[in-house]
Amino acid sequence: GAVVSQHPSWVICKSGTSVKIECRSLDFQATTMFWYRQFPKQSLMLMATSNEGSKATYEQGVEKDKFLINHASLTLSTLTVTSAHPEDSSFYICSARDWGSGNQPQHFGDGTRLSIL
Amino acid sequence: LAKTTQPISMDSYEGQEVNITCSHNNIATNDYITWYQQFPSQGPRFIIQGYKTKVTNEVASLFIPADRKSSTLSLPRVSLSDTAVYYCLVGEGSGNNNDMRFGAGTRLTVKP
Repeated sequence: GAVVSQHPSWVICKSGTSVKIECRSLDFQATTMFWYRQFPKQSLMLMATSNEGSKATYEQGVEKDKFLINHASLTLSTLTVTSAHPEDSSFYICSARDWGSGNQPQHFGDGTRLSIL
Repeated sequence: LAKTTQPISMDSYEGQEVNITCSHNNIATNDYITWYQQFPSQGPRFIIQGYKTKVTNEVASLFIPADRKSSTLSLPRVSLSDTAVYYCLVGEGSGNNNDMRFGAGTRLTVKP
């Protein structure tokens, strides 16, 4: 089945640091990937849609200069949290779809736990 | 405005059948219905997807009435390891970048 790999799975860093999270589709091509954020005991919140070769589409209220998304290839999207602060601490999850195989569900990475001190 | 509505939580016992219903009154013609399972500190995992009538796989069944305004995920003979949050997602129509927003989900607790 389709596999999405997310790296790193866990990161702790100091306030003011920029953190990059990678999302890879391992056995399929994904023209579109999605980035979510999840706080404890809450649902996933869609942050942005990452489109290969073009600019990402951000959800209302999500700062695009704060959360930089790059989707340079059909198998890799990255999310960079710039100048991270404690309030950015959260669980970040990416997903991707195999658009080349008709209607297919999203496949999710295992998430990245980000803790900003 | 959320596209889906589910019960916030449900309790069950091992060995029972669990049915979780999701309302999606504004479902579009080309929308599919997809259910995901999420354990703590993990990404959601695909369970089942359907468009109409009934779909069954090795882990669950999905019942969709003719008007498609709701759907029911059925988990046969649940075990303790089925304790998780279950999300109903409407969209993902073929070829379309449809709404990927999650609702609140249903927190299922299976007791011994």
